[in-house]
Amino acid sequence: GQSLEQPSEVTAVEGAIVQINCTYQTSGFYGLSWYQQHDGGAPTFLSYNGLDGLEETGRFSSFLSRSDSYGYLLLQELQMKDSASYFCAVRVAFSGNTPLVFGKGTRLSVIA
Amino acid sequence: DSGVTQTPKHLITATGQRVTLRCSPRSGDLSVYWYQQSLDQGLQFLIQYYNGEERAKGNILERFSAQQFPDLHSELNLSSLELGDSALYFCASSAGAGTGAYEQYFGPGTRLTVT
Repeated sequence: GQSLEQPSEVTAVEGAIVQINCTYQTSGFYGLSWYQQHDGGAPTFLSYNGLDGLEETGRFSSFLSRSDSYGYLLLQELQMKDSASYFCAVRVAFSGNTPLVFGKGTRLSVIA
Repeated sequence: DSGVTQTPKHLITATGQRVTLRCSPRSGDLSVYWYQQSLDQGLQFLIQYYNGEERAKGNILERFSAQQFPDLHSELNLSSLELGDSALYFCASSAGAGTGAYEQYFGPGTRLTVT
């Protein structure tokens, strides 16, 4: 089976930097994705790490260490609009294909 | 707007009933995924179709079934509904089936309430 662990809630100050961690236990790991979901909205894709290291997309960066079964999402220069839930998701071997398995999400609250 | 459409937006029905949720993927996407999201379980993968064929099955109950039609739209059928089936159901699409699956585009969801 697969399991993903991420903190349920994080609070950070506007303008600051926040890191959301994700640890996973899976078989047949292929990569780690991050999605953002605002209240009442649909998840939207943020980033993907198929290899170890850091991927940067504007204010967001994502990191993966396959040997540690660990990744994180880094949000810089936090804005109020970044208040949302963030999900890590792993691509795993699954009955011949590699769909995504999502963690339970981290609710980020950005305060003034 | 992701380009994925889902209907209806809201559905209220009684226990024991059957409902059908509909999804149209982004233009050009061949893969469709169905997810269930409830407060305590997060996003649960249900099933994936690629170009009309079932590709992967997750935590989908036997009371639930899905299919993808030749025009690539997909339907999720939920029968013998129970109170615990109340949730937000998302459809997502991606261009590919395997390597393309990490970047999925989600529809707005259908909120199902079973009373």
